[in-house]
Amino acid sequence: ETVLTQSPGTLSLSPGERATLSCRTSEIVAGTFVSWYQQKPGQAPRLLISAATNRATGIPERFSGSVSGTDFTLSISKLEPEDFVMYYCHLYDASTSPLYTFGQGTNLEIK
Amino acid sequence: EVQLVQSGGGVKKPGQSLSVSCETSGYTFSEYFVAWVRQKPGKGLEWMGSVLPRDSYVVYNPSFEGQVVISADRSISTAYLTWSSLKASDNGMYFCVRVERFNWFDSWGQGTPVIVSS
Repeated sequence: ETVLTQSPGTLSLSPGERATLSCRTSEIVAGTFVSWYQQKPGQAPRLLISAATNRATGIPERFSGSVSGTDFTLSISKLEPEDFVMYYCHLYDASTSPLYTFGQGTNLEIK
Repeated sequence: EVQLVQSGGGVKKPGQSLSVSCETSGYTFSEYFVAWVRQKPGKGLEWMGSVLPRDSYVVYNPSFEGQVVISADRSISTAYLTWSSLKASDNGMYFCVRVERFNWFDSWGQGTPVIVSS
């Protein structure tokens, strides 16, 4: 089973700063199988990034995804007040059970 | 526009049955998996299982298999999450979501709260 480890649990930054959120897999996986979601309080999650690097429809350009080996990163270039919410990474792995796992989440809070 | 609208849920007693619905529109229902995701209060997201309406194929997270039944009705483009006997541990928010390319979760329902209390 591929383990997904998301860090940090909480990230404290100021508006205008750059945020870097990490998700590490325990073994090499195809980048196409990692996605990122944003969840605001009281709302359903929203797809931000699919296949590691592709911004979903309607997502601002300040959100970007990258991958290097087993390290997947969500970057937010200039934080807006509405960005200070919860973020989850997500893995699809057809070779294991369960098929889908979510990271533990990163709470992006205002410093 | 792809839409998933949930209904059902609410406050139930342990041992009662419950079915949550997810009515979809804006896409070909038969051709995409619909997944169910649980979020316990203050916690993260857990994939429960997915159904492919085309042939009613269902795949479960082993942690949820035998605890819930996931199904779909192609005639009304609706997916279901059903409990035959609720437990207090079933408390949480439940989301249905369309699965794109068997992979990422691109369109989410608004969520349905389930509260199990004696």
